Amino acid sequence: GDSVTQMEGPVTLSEEAFLTINCTYTATGYPSLFWYVQYPGEGLQLLLKATKADDKGSNKGFEATYRKETTSFHLEKGSVQVSDSAVYFCALSDEGGGADGLTFGKGTHLIIQP
Amino acid sequence: EAGVTQFPSHSVIEKGQTVTLRCDPISGHDNLYWYRRVMGKEIKFLLHFVKESKQDESGMPNNRFLAERTGGTYSTLKVQPAELEDSGVYFCASSRDRVTYEQYFGPGTRLTVT
Repeated sequence: GDSVTQMEGPVTLSEEAFLTINCTYTATGYPSLFWYVQYPGEGLQLLLKATKADDKGSNKGFEATYRKETTSFHLEKGSVQVSDSAVYFCALSDEGGGADGLTFGKGTHLIIQP
Repeated sequence: EAGVTQFPSHSVIEKGQTVTLRCDPISGHDNLYWYRRVMGKEIKFLLHFVKESKQDESGMPNNRFLAERTGGTYSTLKVQPAELEDSGVYFCASSRDRVTYEQYFGPGTRLTVT
């Protein structure tokens, strides 16, 4: 079945550092890929998405490119802020097979220190 | 526009008891999803409603779980009788349609079974 693998944290960085959170996937069909973020005490929010190969999703300074050849969707940000501290989830939806819902990775807890 | 709301935010019950979780989706969203995150593991899809119909319930763990969406508005998820392994955070999400898969999540209900 479908699966998503992402680096587990916690990941601790200093403010203004460069961020990469790795995400790779396995899917039977042609998935759409997502990054969701959960801030403390809140629900999951869609951060960005890409629906086909080579698409780049971007939002709030974060970017991720859909790489079909490496089945990856790594999240990057050039300069992180304390307010970026949260849990980040990589996810996919596979309309070509599998269940209706999203398939998630385990989440990466990001801690940004001033 | 009000977001997805869930009630209660936290529930502590004893093994063998019954608990009912409620989800109110965003107004006008026909698609409603339930997910569960057990401690340290991935967020797992449970089931999907389109209006009042169950579209996909392949993720429901067993027959102790019963989901309903009468009238196609709010949904309930009942666990009866609860077991220790049911502890976790239960998320609800809604979307206007399936094509874009842009699901909006609620804050979750943390269920603790003792």
